[in-house]
Amino acid sequence: DAMVIQNPRYQVTQFGKPVTLSCSQTLNHNVMYWYQQKSSQAPKLLFHYYDKDFNNEADTPDNFQSRRPNTSFCFLDIRSPGLGDAAMYLCATSSASGLAGWETQYFGPGTRLLVL
Amino acid sequence: AQSVTQPDIHITVSEGASLELRCNYSYGATPYLFWYVQSPGQGLQLLLKYFSGDTLVQGIKGFEAEFKRSQSSFNLRKPSVHWSDAAEYFCAVGTGGGNKLTFGTGTQLKVEL
Repeated sequence: DAMVIQNPRYQVTQFGKPVTLSCSQTLNHNVMYWYQQKSSQAPKLLFHYYDKDFNNEADTPDNFQSRRPNTSFCFLDIRSPGLGDAAMYLCATSSASGLAGWETQYFGPGTRLLVL
Repeated sequence: AQSVTQPDIHITVSEGASLELRCNYSYGATPYLFWYVQSPGQGLQLLLKYFSGDTLVQGIKGFEAEFKRSQSSFNLRKPSVHWSDAAEYFCAVGTGGGNKLTFGTGTQLKVEL
């Protein structure tokens, strides 16, 4: 089945130690998103890739970076995790046409990050 | 800027009872509207969506939602709730220009047996 896969499902890191979260998709979608969801809050968009074009949200901290080496994979890098970065990180994909068309976003199961 | 309001943070219903979860949106153009469900520790699953056409949309798991432009609402309904429906429900609006989702703060549904 076509799907969005996130690894690992749980990640523990130390304060200040760089960490990378992974997302892959078999849907061949051209848009990939990263959301941060803190406990009991709505998902918050950090950034997205439209094909190879990176689009950062204005309020996303510089501590968060992303890479998309190919259509299938996208990575979220947290350069120096703080305690406040502990959250669920959700990856999503969609197939946007670029003609103001709108396609549904499909979410992965998420990676829960714990910062010690 | 677009926004989504889900006025009920928590709702408790008995199994077999009907359910309505409220969602109000603010957006200048025709909205793209979604309901997602999230079980504990899991990602978001799409229940249903409204892009255009019939204002009553059917989704998975027996859910439906009605788009009411005059009320800026997109309420989610289910005629008979099952214990497995206990989860958090998020309403979201999508912007056509940026393909972005803005979520409401969610409604936590508890089902009493």
